[in-house]
Amino acid sequence: DAGITQSPRHKVTETGTPVTLRCHQTENHRYMYWYRQDPGHGLRLIHYSYGVKDTDKGEVSDGYSVSRSKTEDFLLTLESATSSQTSVYFCAISLDSEQQYFGPGTRLTVT
Amino acid sequence: DQQVKQNSPSLSVQEGRISILNCDYTNSMFDYFLWYKKYPAEGPTFLISISSIKDKNEDGRFTVFLNKSAKHLSLHIVPSQPGDSAVYFCAAKTGANNLFFGTGTRLTVIP
Repeated sequence: DAGITQSPRHKVTETGTPVTLRCHQTENHRYMYWYRQDPGHGLRLIHYSYGVKDTDKGEVSDGYSVSRSKTEDFLLTLESATSSQTSVYFCAISLDSEQQYFGPGTRLTVT
Repeated sequence: DQQVKQNSPSLSVQEGRISILNCDYTNSMFDYFLWYKKYPAEGPTFLISISSIKDKNEDGRFTVFLNKSAKHLSLHIVPSQPGDSAVYFCAAKTGANNLFFGTGTRLTVIP
């Protein structure tokens, strides 16, 4: 298995609070991604990174920001969490933008 | 707008029989297709892929078929085993661009 960890694994937060999810890799892969998984939607891309400090938006980026200051870490921030952001969040990494390897996921509940 | 569609949310198959999971796509520019398998509380894991220049790719019990004219691909698992019970996601991409995922099919293999 690719060395990908996500923290926290579970989080419950209140509407309006900021939340940061962390993805950490030990594979030195160039590409990193954040997805959310919701029933009836499969996995949808939020943001991705193609290098340190190089990031771009995915199809569902509203309400989310990301940062990548080191190759191994990719942070996803919800500036002001809303109930619609209750979801399971997956980080993925990729060496060459082809096959992606996924982390174990973070279950976020916004009350 | 869902560019990759998995119209069967679930499928049940007897152990030892063939499982066929289907996927349709709308974007004729997709040139690389992947199947991922997901167990509960884990991230998706890569299963098998196929380039648009091929119409079949086989890896052990798993075979993926691509019909470009119909914009359809299928995953065949034979023989099916109880450990194959999981959610299967189809995904597609164009060049170096990002993956688009289907909504998933839950496969149950009955012992």
